Amino acid sequence: QKEVEQDPGPLSVPEGAIVSLNCTYSNSAFQYFMWYRQYSRKGPELLMYTYSSGNKEDGRFTAQVDKSSKYISLFIRDSQPSDSATYLCAMRAGGATNKLIFGTGTLLAVQP
Amino acid sequence: DSGVTQTPKHLITATGQRVTLRCSPRSGDLSVYWYQQSLDQGLQFLIQYYNGEERAKGNILERFSAQQFPDLHSELNLSSLELGDSALYFCASSVTDPDTQYFGPGTRLTVL
Repeated sequence: QKEVEQDPGPLSVPEGAIVSLNCTYSNSAFQYFMWYRQYSRKGPELLMYTYSSGNKEDGRFTAQVDKSSKYISLFIRDSQPSDSATYLCAMRAGGATNKLIFGTGTLLAVQP
Repeated sequence: DSGVTQTPKHLITATGQRVTLRCSPRSGDLSVYWYQQSLDQGLQFLIQYYNGEERAKGNILERFSAQQFPDLHSELNLSSLELGDSALYFCASSVTDPDTQYFGPGTRLTVL
């Protein structure tokens, strides 16, 4: 079993829809959680960075962490065609390690 | 643009050959990370250097090696290449360790 599981999609939604992307994980040592966006043939770009449980909002994006369920989510409000990309969750344990464990990514297509 | 540069963008080579991928971190970043991204495995951490010294190792094959130079740029050497080494190779950098990682545009390696 992989440490981080993510539905690969593809997920297709109409413009303006609310998108929900999710990851589950098995390692209870994970404390830092990230969402990266990756456009085709580009490098991953950091979208959201959260520590421990709770919600964090940045514009149209909200990251949610539920450590008790080992479940993280990214919500995109008022989705735009420019949001079409692969979304990767990533996480790492606390302490000195900076080793990121990534999900396999969810391909999102927002239809105009 | 993350500020991390990678060369070359594309590399096509034959099985058994050796190649070198180069990464220049963002100005001021001391830590460099290498990742491999393939369709079936997703984004996998290979190795990390911090200020010239190896800091962490992930799923890096013995045929692969890396180093970070005094000017903080890094090179990833891949030898005795196999078809299965065809992938995108990303470099990321961060100011300190641990810290937020910023990814470069990647090098696409094709082994024929």
